[in-house]
Formats: sequence, structure tokens, C-alpha cells
Amino acid sequence: GAVVSQHPSWVICKSGTSVKIECRSLDFQATTMFWYRQFPKQSLMLMATSNEGSKATYEQGVEKDKFLINHASLTLSTLTVTSAHPEDSSFYICSARDWGQGANQPQHFGDGTRLSIL
Amino acid sequence: GENVEQHPSTLSVQEGDSAVIKCTYSDSASNYFPWYKQELGKRPQLIIDIRSNVGEKKDQRIAVTLNKTAKHFSLHITETQPEDSAVYFCAARLLDSSYKLIFGSGTRLLVRP
Repeated sequence: GAVVSQHPSWVICKSGTSVKIECRSLDFQATTMFWYRQFPKQSLMLMATSNEGSKATYEQGVEKDKFLINHASLTLSTLTVTSAHPEDSSFYICSARDWGQGANQPQHFGDGTRLSIL
Repeated sequence: GENVEQHPSTLSVQEGDSAVIKCTYSDSASNYFPWYKQELGKRPQLIIDIRSNVGEKKDQRIAVTLNKTAKHFSLHITETQPEDSAVYFCAARLLDSSYKLIFGSGTRLLVRP
């Protein structure tokens, strides 16, 4: 089956640090990847849509200069949380669509990254 | 834009009983509705999905029904087991090129042994 690998799984760092999270599709090509943030006991909130070879599309209220997204290849998207602060602490999850499948196919999720900013 | 509402927020059932979770969506053009199960600290896992040209789909103990006219869809779990305990999310996909999924708020299901 389709596998999405996300790294790191857990990050603890000091306030002001920038943190990069990687999302890789291991056995399929993904022209589109999605980045979600999930606070404890809450739903998945879409942050942005990452498109291979073009700029990401951010959801309303998400600062694009704060959350930098790069999708340089068909199998890799990265999310960089710049100058992270304690309020950025959350569970970040990526998902990917298989480019070769039709429109109504499921997204495949990574294992998530738990980010804790001290 | 699309809005998905999910009820109940918590559900406690006795092992062996059935559980039903309901979702409504606002955009009549949405055409794909997956259900995900998420255990604590883990990734959401797709358990079943339904497309707008189908009214019902079943996979062993899990079934999903879709009422396009009323714009709601439901997850049914029969013969519940303790390992069914988790948070369940419904979602709706917009009928546009973004392929974005809009998630419901989640239902915490507890199956009491």
C-alpha cells in the first residue's frame, strides 16, 4: 500500500529555533501534499496545500512566512516552522495523494511530528 | 466554503453494541466522504469511504451511508470491540482541483468491555 514517511516524529527545541519537518511518499508520486496541525483533543486543521514545482496554497489565517513549505520533487515536501514559539507546539501531520490515481482516492497520512517549543 | 459538522463528540457503548456517528456537510458539490480512525498520538487511518454516486457501503462490521439530498453521512460500527475505541473523523472532499479534505470535529468512541 501507499506509504508516507514523516520525520522527525518528535522535536523539542528552544523558542526562536526554526524546525524542518519532512514528508516523503515512499512508493508513489505525489504532486499534491497537505499539511495539517492538530492540537490536543481537536480535529485536523488544514494549514496548506503543497504543490510540486509551485508555491503552496495556504489556508486563511496561516502565516506563509511563518510556515515555509517546499515541494521540490514528486516525493518530498518540507514544512519549516520559522522562529518557533511555544504557541506553535502541536502535532503536525502531512498527507499525500497518489498522482496516478483518480480524483476520489484517499489521502495517505504520515505518522505526524510532535513539536514542543520550550 | 465547505463546513463539516460531526456528532456526537463522545460516545460510550457496551462491547457488542452498535455505534453510530453522524456528519453533515454544507457544500452540495462535495463528492467524496472518507472516515478516519485515529488512536492517541498516531496517524489517522482510513477505515471506509464513500463516493457521491453510492448510497451505502459496507466492509465487515463497518458501514457508511450517504444521503445526498439531506447532505449527511453516517458511520455505523456493529458488534463493537474494545479495540474500536479511538477518535473517529469524518471528512468531505471539495469538488475542485484542490483535492482538499475538510474534517469534522471528531468523535471519541469508548467501547466498554
